[in-house]
Amino acid sequence: QVQLQESGPGLVKPSETLSLTCAVSSASITGYFWTWLRQPPRKGLEWLGYVYYSGSTNYNPSLDSRATISLDTSKNQFSLRLNSVTVADTADYYCAGLLTPYDAFRLWGQGTRVTVSS
Amino acid sequence: DIQMTQSPSTLPASVGDRVTIACRASQSISTWLAWYQQKPGKAPKLLIYKASSLESGVPSRFSASGSGTEFTLTISSLQPDDFANYFCHQYDSYPLTFGGGTKVEI
Repeated sequence: QVQLQESGPGLVKPSETLSLTCAVSSASITGYFWTWLRQPPRKGLEWLGYVYYSGSTNYNPSLDSRATISLDTSKNQFSLRLNSVTVADTADYYCAGLLTPYDAFRLWGQGTRVTVSS
Repeated sequence: DIQMTQSPSTLPASVGDRVTIACRASQSISTWLAWYQQKPGKAPKLLIYKASSLESGVPSRFSASGSGTEFTLTISSLQPDDFANYFCHQYDSYPLTFGGGTKVEI
C-alpha cells in the first residue's frame, strides 16, 4: 500500500521560504504526478502544483511563481518550496499523487500544519 | 479558473436522514467531478469519481449524479460516521479547483 508522509517546519517567518518534503513508500517515484495542495484554516482546498517524474511541472498561477516542486529520485521523495511567504500562506499542506493528471485524488499524505508568523 | 460553488455550507441533520449536497461549476466540466469526505485533522477521502462512480470500499448509501455544471451528492441514510465535511473537486481543467465544503453536523 502506497503511503505518503509530509515533513518540514511547522513555523515559518514572513518573507522567508517554506520548505516541505513528502516521502513516498511502497511505490516508485516514477509514474505519478506528485502534487501539493493546501487548506487554510476553515477554508477549502487549493491545488498548488505537481511534478512528473520526467521533470515537467505545472503550478497554480495564483502563487505568482513563488512555488517550486521538485523530485529526489534517490530518496524517493518530492518537495515544495514556497518563497516570500505571508500569513495568508498559513495552512494545512497535503502531498498527493495522481496516476494521470486528469483524475480524482486517491493517494494522500496525512497533512502538515504550517503557520506563518513572526 | 473554474469556480466550484457548494450549497449549503452547513447542513444540520440527524442519524437516518437523507441528505443532499449540491455543487455547481462556473462552466461545463462534463463528468470530471469528484466528491470527498474530510474529518477534522485528517486527509480527504475519495467517495465518488467521474461524477457518479462509487470508489471501492465506500458504502452504497453514498451516491452522486450530475453532468455539465450541476452535481449532487446524496447520503441515503445518515450514519454517525458520516458527520463530516464534504467537498467537490473538478478535474476537467487546470488549475484544479475545489468547492468550499459542506459541513454535515448534528
